[in-house]
Amino acid sequence: GQNIDQPTEMTATEGAIVQINCTYQTSGFNGLFWYQQHAGEAPTFLSYNVLDGLEEKGRFSSFLSRSKGYSYLLLKELQMKDSASYLCAPRRGSYIPTFGRGTSLIVHP
Amino acid sequence: DTEVTQTPKHLVMGMTNKKSLKCEQHMGHRAMYWYKQKAKKPPELMFVYSYEKLSINESVPSRFSPECPNSSLLNLHLHALQPEDSALYLCASRQGALSGYTFGSGTRLTVV
Repeated sequence: GQNIDQPTEMTATEGAIVQINCTYQTSGFNGLFWYQQHAGEAPTFLSYNVLDGLEEKGRFSSFLSRSKGYSYLLLKELQMKDSASYLCAPRRGSYIPTFGRGTSLIVHP
Repeated sequence: DTEVTQTPKHLVMGMTNKKSLKCEQHMGHRAMYWYKQKAKKPPELMFVYSYEKLSINESVPSRFSPECPNSSLLNLHLHALQPEDSALYLCASRQGALSGYTFGSGTRLTVV
């Protein structure tokens, strides 16, 4: 397997910043996806990192360290609608990405 | 059109029924996928079609039978399912290996 590890649940306050970490097995690593999934809905694509570093896309940024087998998703200026599950999905070689169990983020006023 | 459309949205079926789930996309994506997702779990890959050919079957029981009639359509035929097969069934497509998946809104299946 991919040994994907991310926290089960996180809580944060509206307007704050939250970082969701993900670690994974590095052998054959070839890129990592982040998805957002609201309860009862389909996952939506947030980001794809293949090189080390931070990629910023509006309020959301994603970071990757290939050597450490580590990624994080950074959410700024949190809004209530950001309450959702965030899925880390690394891929190995040309294989299909494998989804982590997801981090349930609860944003409260 | 930037969507993946799945029908029906909800389906309740008995263990002796035969039903089909449908998925359609008109984005020209040549890879299409079926995923199964149980509550509070991540999506689990079932099947992959690439250029209308089945390329991956993740050891799915034969009571699930996929079909790709053309590059825009993907079906999942269901027969003699078990209650534990109740789940959200997601269809997805993508343009290439470096692209993110576009998911449909899913079919919520309940087997009684």
